[in-house]
Amino acid sequence: ETGVTQSPTHLIKTRGQQVTLRCSSQSGHNTVSWYQQALGQGPQFIFQYYREEENGRGNFPPRFSGLQFPNYSSELNVNALELDDSALYLCASSLPGAEQYFGPGTRLTVT
Amino acid sequence: DAKTTQPPSMDCAEGRAANLPCNHSTISGNEYVYWYRQIHSQGPQYIIHGLKNNETNEMASLIITEDRKSSTLILPHATLRDTAVYYCIVRVAREWGGTASKLTFGTGTRLQVTL
Repeated sequence: ETGVTQSPTHLIKTRGQQVTLRCSSQSGHNTVSWYQQALGQGPQFIFQYYREEENGRGNFPPRFSGLQFPNYSSELNVNALELDDSALYLCASSLPGAEQYFGPGTRLTVT
Repeated sequence: DAKTTQPPSMDCAEGRAANLPCNHSTISGNEYVYWYRQIHSQGPQYIIHGLKNNETNEMASLIITEDRKSSTLILPHATLRDTAVYYCIVRVAREWGGTASKLTFGTGTRLQVTL
């Protein structure tokens, strides 16, 4: 059984640029959630996707957007990057309503 | 989701039981208690969850008080590899969609296991 994988591992971008992060869900899981974790804080919920549609969103602006594909993999897109977007971005997969299993994360640095 | 309160840090000697408390006095009847841990710079790892009965798996035991206002995660024989931040989270049971889908992480308990 393959766990949740994320790519890339690390990324450095400049303020104002756009970034795309990728997540492959655990086998059999059709729900993907994305979280942002700033240094020294707990993860904060960004949004969740189920059957290719956004299915819940946290307190993040519209420049944070996502996609889910028919194979349940997902992308997180962030436009107009700001310095405060520097964080660890975590993807978690699950069956609907069940416990979520996290990937290793993507460390984004915005300079 | 109900708020949780955890001590910011705890120490435990290797080989001893680690007992991590969590207070969730405003928990609702349909909310489960979940525990996750996060080892430095890695993604959170699911440990265990329960509604009102005590639960045990290969990683830990979860003891929930009868009034469900608090719980304790027990690592029976802590090792150095159990050093991590432990998060106690309450979440609506088996409900998904909208904000009910999310896990709300607090600041957790930093457990340091020492020789």
